[in-house]
Amino acid sequence: DAKTTQPPSMDCAEGRAANLPCNHSTISGNEYVYWYRQIHSQGPQYIIHGLKNNETNEMASLIITEDRKSSTLILPHATLRDTAVYYCIVRVVENAGNMLTFGGGTRLMVKP
Amino acid sequence: GAVVSQHPSRVICKSGTSVKIECRSLDFQATTMFWYRQFPKQSLMLMATSNEGSKATYEQGVEKDKFLINHASLTLSTLTVTSAHPEDSSFYICSARLRKGSGANVLTFGAGSRLTVL
Repeated sequence: DAKTTQPPSMDCAEGRAANLPCNHSTISGNEYVYWYRQIHSQGPQYIIHGLKNNETNEMASLIITEDRKSSTLILPHATLRDTAVYYCIVRVVENAGNMLTFGGGTRLMVKP
Repeated sequence: GAVVSQHPSRVICKSGTSVKIECRSLDFQATTMFWYRQFPKQSLMLMATSNEGSKATYEQGVEKDKFLINHASLTLSTLTVTSAHPEDSSFYICSARLRKGSGANVLTFGAGSRLTVL
């Protein structure tokens, strides 16, 4: 799996958009970008995934650069409940249901 | 959506006793479940892969005789911490993969079980 790099922490004002970056410069053509988050003292939660097109669901949007070497997870209107550690993981889709390796992630703090 | 239930959510036990944690897939069948451990302010670390009807596969450094895993059905995997010691105190999290053919390729995680060994 391609290695990912994320900033260790970010702050965001409540109600504003939270933009969480992820670098994956060694990503292969068949690897997807997955995002999970972990709220304190809870299990991780799947957010979104994508290959090369931008994706949007009820939780977030995923913007992947044209060269696929980086991506950004966007929480359009962050709330206090979005405070969590966000993990960017790159996997081939066939292995995405297998065990995941979690890096350090980005600790997002949403402030009032 | 797919739901994974873990029980108990919190457990406190005395050193030397054994503790069993259950992980159930509530509305889908899971041929494979994964057990993770997370120490404070650290990321999740995979302990073992639990396969229905066969022996679990343990990650390097994880003692299989200490962390007993049983996956006797398609909806239940259990992790038993035997002869628990204070250093086993941690947050244990299970996850399940949807059975092939369901169309999903993501993992669903339980809420976690916090073990405190006195």
